[in-house]
Amino acid sequence: DTGVSQDPRHKITKRGQNVTFRCDPISEHNRLYWYRQTLGQGPEFLTYFQNEAQLEKSRLLSDRFSAERPKGSFSTLEIQRTEQGDSAMYLCASSQRTGTTDTQYFGPGTRLTVL
Amino acid sequence: GQQLNQSPQSMFIQEGEDVSMNCTSSSIFNTWLWYKQDPGEGPVLLIALYKAGELTSNGRLTAQFGITRKDSFLNISASIPSDVGIYFCAGPSSGSARQLTFGSGTQLTVLP
Repeated sequence: DTGVSQDPRHKITKRGQNVTFRCDPISEHNRLYWYRQTLGQGPEFLTYFQNEAQLEKSRLLSDRFSAERPKGSFSTLEIQRTEQGDSAMYLCASSQRTGTTDTQYFGPGTRLTVL
Repeated sequence: GQQLNQSPQSMFIQEGEDVSMNCTSSSIFNTWLWYKQDPGEGPVLLIALYKAGELTSNGRLTAQFGITRKDSFLNISASIPSDVGIYFCAGPSSGSARQLTFGSGTQLTVLP
């Protein structure tokens, strides 16, 4: 399978704990994105990497959130001191610009539940 | 910020029927994307539209990029049970082409 992969698929944690999610993009894609999706809504943009550089961040990405892509391949998203409001599906996507198109392909997501 | 309004919010149809759903915006989009999401999974790209007026098909699915650039529709012909899911329209944000703005989705249920 050469699609975007995410790990873990599900995470249950207690309020106040730290959690880290991993995303492996499609191998030839140099762009990587994180989105958050709450129940009944479409995904909302969090942040974007081109290679290892984090170029864009949404104001949704509070100080408790940090994302890295150290070697321009896989990425991690860490949430510190989790709150119940952080419960959501965290989606990763990747893309590679070809000509004028830059289509984002999504992974299966990590479902976070904060108790 | 930009908003995409999808309608209907939900649909219940009989297997074999055709389905139509649409997406509108108050601002112009240069790209329209249609994704399908199954429960517990990430969105899967169905069709991408890049030019106003463009009509593109993918099997039983057909999507059009509105002439005004402010709307798009998706048609599914001869629905089957595996068409069940949530359909999202999406497009690049006006602030950044890398940030996709999504509609709130159309939940499709296909009855046998």
